[in-house]
Amino acid sequence: DSGVTQTPKHLITATGQRVTLRCSPRSGDLSVYWYQQSLDQGLQFLIQYYNGEERAKGNILERFSAQQFPDLHSELNLSSLELGDSALYFCASSTPDGQPKGTDTQYFGPGTRLTVL
Amino acid sequence: GNSVTQMEGPVTLSEEAFLTINCTYTATGYPSLFWYVQYPGEGLQLLLKATKADDKGSNKGFEATYRKETTSFHLEKGSVQVSDSAVYFCALSDRSNSGYALNFGKGTSLLVTP
Repeated sequence: DSGVTQTPKHLITATGQRVTLRCSPRSGDLSVYWYQQSLDQGLQFLIQYYNGEERAKGNILERFSAQQFPDLHSELNLSSLELGDSALYFCASSTPDGQPKGTDTQYFGPGTRLTVL
Repeated sequence: GNSVTQMEGPVTLSEEAFLTINCTYTATGYPSLFWYVQYPGEGLQLLLKATKADDKGSNKGFEATYRKETTSFHLEKGSVQVSDSAVYFCALSDRSNSGYALNFGKGTSLLVTP
């Protein structure tokens, strides 16, 4: 158990809909990362938040957005869903102190499997 | 940009065989390097990491050495078990603005048979 929790575990929805994925980081971790895992694209970084503020952006679509709340949990919002958005979405946390560093270990949650029909 | 290349799978080995999974990287600067493992139906778990050249990461019998001269971080284990069957991902830390992300290889599936 990594200490990172994600809800829901599975999500099935229709094209055009909007969903929200939730992540609670390990106790004390200030950074939250979101990744997408799909068969064709592999594991891709979407976005990082640190202590409530956006820190880095990867291949995140404009239809997707995220935020980190004062209690450090994070939500990833996916809107106008398309079939190609079906994937596993992972949240990871790190940075128990100081600023984010490249040497930080990221701890992954179990993921949310999104199916768009 | 930075990238990670892993050997294609799947790799099938008999129990107690020697394992090598090749990983090479392209990066500016000096990234940290990681091996993560994903068991069926689960999230990723850190297996080991190395943060500077010539560092050796090790855990649960797995080892990998950060080789700057060959830009490699190959994963090895002397004697695999059935329970090692999983997908293994090589990754490097990627600096972006004032944050960091992991840049992953495509993963190598390992199946160990009794």
